[in-house]
Amino acid sequence: QAQLVQSGAEVKKPGASVKVSCKVSGYTLTDLSIHWVRQAPGKGLEWMGGFDPEDGETIYAQKFQGRVTMTEDTSTDTVYMELSSLKSEDTAVFYCATLRGNSDFGHWFDSWGQGTLVTVSS
Amino acid sequence: DIQMTQSPSSLSASVGDRVTITCRASQSIARYLNWYQQKPGKAPKLLIYVASSLQSGVPSRFSGSGSGTEFTLTVSSLQPEDFATYYCQQTYSTSLTFGGGTKVEIK
Repeated sequence: QAQLVQSGAEVKKPGASVKVSCKVSGYTLTDLSIHWVRQAPGKGLEWMGGFDPEDGETIYAQKFQGRVTMTEDTSTDTVYMELSSLKSEDTAVFYCATLRGNSDFGHWFDSWGQGTLVTVSS
Repeated sequence: DIQMTQSPSSLSASVGDRVTITCRASQSIARYLNWYQQKPGKAPKLLIYVASSLQSGVPSRFSGSGSGTEFTLTVSSLQPEDFATYYCQQTYSTSLTFGGGTKVEIK
């Protein structure tokens, strides 16, 4: 399994942007599909988007379309998730995770980062 | 999006109990269903993938079954370390979705 290490906690003001990083080790980034999952305090898991290995594109949940950008730096095996126009409701822990499997058998998240708490407060 | 509904949302059980959690999909998802365990302050951990395959290193007391729209996660004999929140997830659609979670508490 890959190891994923995320950047540290952030505090942002409403309207600002945040960029969270996820560094991969044990594999090269080109061998992996990294996705992002959000969890608001005391709430459930919410998929935000990630790299779709079937068509080679990054896909985003409709809820976050236009506000989230996921990028990668293959030279450092690091993936980034940037969320803009932050609101207090965006306060959450953000996780990166590796997507495994294929379209015939199915997909699953088998490795997760430790999580990054983003607090949005004026 | 495909909606995933878990039941119950919480349950109380004792060590040694057999526990079953149900996950229902709003449309057929074949067997593209995974189960995760999450403990407070920790990242989720994969237990079961594609409905019934046990992830490496996960105790055999965990099992999954189902296909189509109805799935179950069963813990055959609950252990102290199993008290946690459990989530199902569908990967049939490229827009992935999770169930709302089931919190398993000590009776």
